[in-house]
Amino acid sequence: EDQVTQSPEALRLQEGESSSLNCSYTVSGLRGLFWYRQDPGKGPEFLFTLYSAGEEKEKERLKATLTKKESFLHITAPKPEDSATYLCAVQDFGGGGADGLTFGKGTHLIIQP
Amino acid sequence: EADIYQTPRYLVIGTGKKITLECSQTMGHDKMYWYQQDPGMELHLIHYSYGVNSTEKGDLSSESTVSRIRTEHFPLTLESARPSHTSQYLCASRLDLAGKLFFGSGTQLSVL
Repeated sequence: EDQVTQSPEALRLQEGESSSLNCSYTVSGLRGLFWYRQDPGKGPEFLFTLYSAGEEKEKERLKATLTKKESFLHITAPKPEDSATYLCAVQDFGGGGADGLTFGKGTHLIIQP
Repeated sequence: EADIYQTPRYLVIGTGKKITLECSQTMGHDKMYWYQQDPGMELHLIHYSYGVNSTEKGDLSSESTVSRIRTEHFPLTLESARPSHTSQYLCASRLDLAGKLFFGSGTQLSVL
């Protein structure tokens, strides 16, 4: 059974204070690892897809990296508008219904001005 | 920008009522999904569809039903709502099995 564990559950940073969010996963065969951002009362918004260990992707102040067991979402010099819940999800090749997409509980990030 | 829409955004109803949550997308995606999300918890898949006349139950048991008569429309129905159905319901679609999910804004359902 696929598993996704995100840490920390919540993180409070000062504006400009860089940090990293962790997503540890267990999957039989990784098809893809997804990062989403979710604002209160809204649906998740896609950020990145990573497919293989060693892959990195960047978007503005965010950088996602992937190893065989975990992914990190690095946030450099964050701003208050980066405050949100960040979700990680994995998709395996095993099928078993609905593409085998498994989500973590998310990290609730607060950036204080 | 995602072109997937859910209505209503918020719904407060009494126990025993029948409700339908609407979801429509204009991207021509065959694959559509319904997720349930409670505060601080994971998204759980309750229904999915791979195209017209295709519907399947997801990993999380649900008393709701879905239909897919048109590619763009994937409504979810609860025949008799109960307080245990109180949750946020998210609709999503994707182009193919490896692609990213596009989510709607969700329906926050409260059953009294």
